[in-house]
Amino acid sequence: DAKTTQPTSMDCAEGRAANLPCNHSTISGNEYVYWYRQIHSQGPQYIIHGLKNNETNEMASLIITEDRKSSTLILPHATLRDTAVYYCIVRVVGSGGSQGNLIFGKGTKLSVKP
Amino acid sequence: NAGVTQTPKFRILKIGQSMTLQCTQDMNHNYMYWYRQDPGMGLKLIYYSVGAGITDKGEVPNGYNVSRSTTEDFPLRLELAAPSQTSVYFCASSTHSGTNTGELFFGEGSRLTVL
Repeated sequence: DAKTTQPTSMDCAEGRAANLPCNHSTISGNEYVYWYRQIHSQGPQYIIHGLKNNETNEMASLIITEDRKSSTLILPHATLRDTAVYYCIVRVVGSGGSQGNLIFGKGTKLSVKP
Repeated sequence: NAGVTQTPKFRILKIGQSMTLQCTQDMNHNYMYWYRQDPGMGLKLIYYSVGAGITDKGEVPNGYNVSRSTTEDFPLRLELAAPSQTSVYFCASSTHSGTNTGELFFGEGSRLTVL
């Protein structure tokens, strides 16, 4: 079972920041928070991941609360091409076997509107 | 740089037929995965492999078989196709070593319909 909770859908105006929340209240100390997105039935695409510090890359920023029970993915200037399903996943990194497997939930369907 | 390549992209099968979905990666990744995605749902793990000669079951392995004879290839076989196996199948690969991110790279998917 997925260990994260996300809203089913969200809308965002083009050019504005998209803030996608995720709850992971049972996260373990060795589990990272990962974000992937899936654009129109293509294969999922990695966005970003983090353990406890906030992270930023060319695609997005990841804000993780101090207690690590929730996080927010921020797309700073959403475009129409960011319309996709966004998956928040927690997983162990660096270990072999099933602990490292990604468990996908239903994700959040983000619609960016002109 | 091809990444993860899946074939075929589309296939229609009759009930009881068998087929193999091919997956190959050119990134020298040790881990490979097969997922299926039903309409409106998230991905479910079918099988995975941590290296050549080693495979293990995921969440929904029934009705499927895999093999991993080389690092590059991870074929998925359906022995007796059933309508419940109508789905989109995704192959993925990753490398797990030390502090590596373990980012998964996905193929474009294979759309299978069983009638």
